[in-house]
Amino acid sequence: AQKITQTQPGMFVQEKEAVTLDCTYDTSDQSYGLFWYKQPSSGEMIFLIYQGSYDEQNATEGRYSLNFQKARKSANLVISASQLGDSAMYFCAMREGMGDRGSTLGRLYFGRGTQLTVWP
Amino acid sequence: DTGVSQNPRHKITKRGQNVTFRCDPISEHNRLYWYRQTLGQGPEFLTYFQNEAQLEKSRLLSDRFSAERPKGSFSTLEIQRTEQGDSAMYLCASSSPGLAALSMAQYFGPGTRLLVL
Repeated sequence: AQKITQTQPGMFVQEKEAVTLDCTYDTSDQSYGLFWYKQPSSGEMIFLIYQGSYDEQNATEGRYSLNFQKARKSANLVISASQLGDSAMYFCAMREGMGDRGSTLGRLYFGRGTQLTVWP
Repeated sequence: DTGVSQNPRHKITKRGQNVTFRCDPISEHNRLYWYRQTLGQGPEFLTYFQNEAQLEKSRLLSDRFSAERPKGSFSTLEIQRTEQGDSAMYLCASSSPGLAALSMAQYFGPGTRLLVL
């Protein structure tokens, strides 16, 4: 089973509007972390925002916020006031706290990404 | 700039040749990761170092792949007897030490794009 599912291959939004990028995850761990990354056409992965499974409040970083719904196992990224420079691929990722072997693992599991295009 | 650096940025090789990539993490980061990304996919985990110890290897890392981090600073990823299926972007990331390991973001380098002809 996929650990991270991003069902939107592409999204379009007009400049200055808000957009929500969907992400659902699958884990049996109680302790885990969720991340969003941006990958422009240049290829470098840029860290945007983090949400911990025990965090009671949704994470926010500037124009980025994470809509965390634990019961639904969803961690959607909301970008407010979109800018042309936001056009990029966006990846949702998860780190499990304990994993199958009972030790803290380092790896991130990534989804397939959503290509966001912001138009003027 | 003290971000993660990777060299070379691009590599074209013929099938059967060996290639080696280098990654220099952010200086105070003790954790280093390698991922592979193919077109239209998210990055897939390959291996992970904490200091010089290789703590985890993915099943994706066949016996043709080897990674080292001899002094706990830079790392190399070698692919022996390259195959066309090895063509991908190879990404390196690092993260800082800390008790809250779960929350430590991984910071990525620009990647090495490999094309095997």
